[in-house]
Amino acid sequence: DAGVIQSPRHEVTEMGQEVTLRCKPISGHDYLFWYRQTMMRGLELLIYFNNNVPIDDSGMPEDRFSAKMPNASFSTLKIQPSEPRDSAVYFCASTTRGRGNYNEQFFGPGTRLTVL
Amino acid sequence: RKEVEQDPGPFNVPEGATVAFNCTYSNSASQSFFWYRQDCRKEPKLLMSVYSSGNEDGRFTAQLNRASQYISLLIRDSKLSDSATYLCAPSGGYQKVTFGTGTKLQVIP
Repeated sequence: DAGVIQSPRHEVTEMGQEVTLRCKPISGHDYLFWYRQTMMRGLELLIYFNNNVPIDDSGMPEDRFSAKMPNASFSTLKIQPSEPRDSAVYFCASTTRGRGNYNEQFFGPGTRLTVL
Repeated sequence: RKEVEQDPGPFNVPEGATVAFNCTYSNSASQSFFWYRQDCRKEPKLLMSVYSSGNEDGRFTAQLNRASQYISLLIRDSKLSDSATYLCAPSGGYQKVTFGTGTKLQVIP
């Protein structure tokens, strides 16, 4: 089975440009998470969805960031306009509750974003 | 105070050594706890869950101390392939976990 798929793997853009990151979760998983990882701040949760509905977006840094999940197999994270401080690795992860209360999150390979 | 605190390291240990990492968490409502492993420039992957009674998986042992709000990871007989960053992750509810910034381990030949 395919794992979590993210695209693009690398993105280099200029300040002020719009950036769209894409994620396809593992089929059957009903939770999807967007994280950002930097050396200084580590792995930070930006937003997560359950059954395509945003549950907690308190980690979204500001209005320049938005995320959508139009269906169970696709999500986007958009940054508009982008700034150099947005440079980071953005991970998407998915999971399902299953029989346990909390289950393993499966991460995609990440998108390495550089904003010049 | 950060929600999850870990010593960033790096811990440089020789092959065959035993090494232990601690992680403290501030959310006393956390119910589940995990250790993830992240190789350089790769995504995090689950290493093991941490149960109240402590659990062992081969050379890896995880312990939970709810009273003091910390979890630990012990690695015995370190291998070169254990070199990675280890992320502590207590749950925050509704499948949400909060990751620590990680402890870097370098096993030296």
